[in-house]
Amino acid sequence: QQPVQSPQAVILREGEDAVINCSSSKALYSVHWYRQKHGEAPVFLMILLKGGEQKGHDKISASFNEKKQQSSLYLTASQLSYSGTYFCGTDHTGTASKLTFGTGTRLQVTL
Amino acid sequence: NAGVTQTPKFQVLKTGQSMTLQCAQDMNHNSMYWYRQDPGMGLRLIYYSASEGTTDKGEVPNGYNVSRLNKREFSLRLESAAPSQTSVYFCASSEGVWAEQFFGPGTRLTVL
Repeated sequence: QQPVQSPQAVILREGEDAVINCSSSKALYSVHWYRQKHGEAPVFLMILLKGGEQKGHDKISASFNEKKQQSSLYLTASQLSYSGTYFCGTDHTGTASKLTFGTGTRLQVTL
Repeated sequence: NAGVTQTPKFQVLKTGQSMTLQCAQDMNHNSMYWYRQDPGMGLRLIYYSASEGTTDKGEVPNGYNVSRLNKREFSLRLESAAPSQTSVYFCASSEGVWAEQFFGPGTRLTVL
């Protein structure tokens, strides 16, 4: 099953913070976050592994609650460049070779 | 260092026609992937290849075939295109499954 992302869309002013959530009905082994700007390819942000290890960019943080089967992406002091659609990809097999992506959260940062 | 390249960038087919989407990466990655993305949707995995000579079905493999020609190249073939296959196709590669995936620029395919 596809993970559920919330909110579906959010508009921020530059400097504001945002949280994007990703929930699954199945057990998660890892969560992978990507950002896609309009008309472009997705770009990697972060991987969160069971057990707490994170791999990703320094300026973006995220959490992974294994018990609740949820992950949240935290965008602080947003910049115009943060605009885009954020996707979480969930790994339900423990191999991370076949991710199931959510439908995305559209983030727009304005002046 | 070009990263992941895809050809063609755009393609229009008639129902029943066949075509092959090409993908190549120059990062010496073992893992390669083909995804499709429909409007308002996330990425859906079509096929995955862990290494040269190995392929595995993803979420939506019906109507597609793949070939991992060598470590660099991973092609996707539509044998008999259908309007339901109208989509944007992305190829990606990664050092391993626990590493970030690098995506190509995509192929925008329309089947009439």
